[in-house]
Amino acid sequence: GQNIDQPTEMTATEGAIVQINCTYQTSGFNGLFWYQQHAGEAPTFLSYNVLDGLEEKGRFSSFLSRSKGYSYLLLKELQMKDSASYLCAVGSGSARQLTFGSGTQLTVLP
Amino acid sequence: EAQVTQNPRYLITVTGKKLTVTCSQNMNHEYMSWYRQDPGLGLRQIYYSMNVEVTDKGDVPEGYKVSRKEKRNFPLILESPSPNQTSLYFCASSPQTGSDEAFFGQGTRLTVV
Repeated sequence: GQNIDQPTEMTATEGAIVQINCTYQTSGFNGLFWYQQHAGEAPTFLSYNVLDGLEEKGRFSSFLSRSKGYSYLLLKELQMKDSASYLCAVGSGSARQLTFGSGTQLTVLP
Repeated sequence: EAQVTQNPRYLITVTGKKLTVTCSQNMNHEYMSWYRQDPGLGLRQIYYSMNVEVTDKGDVPEGYKVSRKEKRNFPLILESPSPNQTSLYFCASSPQTGSDEAFFGQGTRLTVV
């Protein structure tokens, strides 16, 4: 089976940088995703890593180390609208299923 | 507009009364799945489908059924709902596999009393 761990809550200040960590244990790894979910809304795709290293997309970057079973999502120049839950998800198995962590609720303070 | 559409958005029902939540996607995606989301537990997969007439159980399939008669539709059926199925449900589709970017429907908040 899969085991995905991420912090339950984080708080940061507007304009700052925050790093959300995710560790996982899985067999048949197919890639790691980060999704953003605002309260009461559907998750939306942020990033995808399948190889080790850093992927940058505007204010958001995501890092993966497959040997360590570790990823992080880095959010720069935080804005109030970044207050949301951030979901780490791992693709695995022959059916390439997606398994989600419980999510990290980020609160951005003025 | 590319989208995944779920209906209804909100539903309150009584224990034992069969219900269906519909899901439709207009992106010609092969892979579709259903998740339930509960506080502290995150999104858990109920069922998935890799193509028409191909469905399989996810992590929490008990009490649910699905069908995939057409590529665009993937309804979730609760034959005899129970209060522990009160949850927020999301349908999602991906181009080919579960490890592609997933597009989610708006969610269905189900309450079983």
